[in-house]
Amino acid sequence: GDSVTQMEGPVTLSEEAFLTINCTYTATGYPSLFWYVQYPGEGLQLLLKATKADDKGSNKGFEATYRKETTSFHLEKGSVQVSDSAVYFCALSLKTSYDKVIFGPGTSLSVIP
Amino acid sequence: NAGVTQTPKFQVLKTGQSMTLQCAQDMNHNSMYWYRQDPGMGLRLIYYSASEGTTDKGEVPNGYNVSRLNKREFSLRLESAAPSQTSVYFCASSNGYGYTFGSGTRLTVV
Repeated sequence: GDSVTQMEGPVTLSEEAFLTINCTYTATGYPSLFWYVQYPGEGLQLLLKATKADDKGSNKGFEATYRKETTSFHLEKGSVQVSDSAVYFCALSLKTSYDKVIFGPGTSLSVIP
Repeated sequence: NAGVTQTPKFQVLKTGQSMTLQCAQDMNHNSMYWYRQDPGMGLRLIYYSASEGTTDKGEVPNGYNVSRLNKREFSLRLESAAPSQTSVYFCASSNGYGYTFGSGTRLTVV
């Protein structure tokens, strides 16, 4: 079935370090791909998205490229800040009778000064 | 600000009590969703409404009912709360380009 796999956390980085969170997916159709972020005590927020192969989504210094050949959508940021500490969810969307979204389990990121 | 509004933010219930979680969106989205989030379980879909007038079961519907009152509002009802329903509940809406989530309701059933 359709699914999203993310690297296990928690991930702890020092401020200004490079971040990569791996995400791979399995889908029967041609999905759109998303990264959501959840800050402590809040709901999920859409961080970035890509709707077709080779598209690059970007926002707030974060980037992810839709790689159809490797079914991946890895999240990267060149220099993390303490304020980036949150849980990050990779997700795919399939257009069925509704906007069906499948979420990965989430990766917790802590950035220390 | 446009978005998804959930009420209440916190609630404590006794086992067997009933309550309704309210959700409203002002973005003219067709689809709305209810999720629960539990440690180690990720996000699980309870019910969804693809459009006004329709509702369907998600992954974990047992113990819940929903009402799509109009295009803006989608409520979740617990008829007889159980401790296993202690969770954080999120409402979301979409127009096919990604979800917008509410800030959540933290529910404790004792």
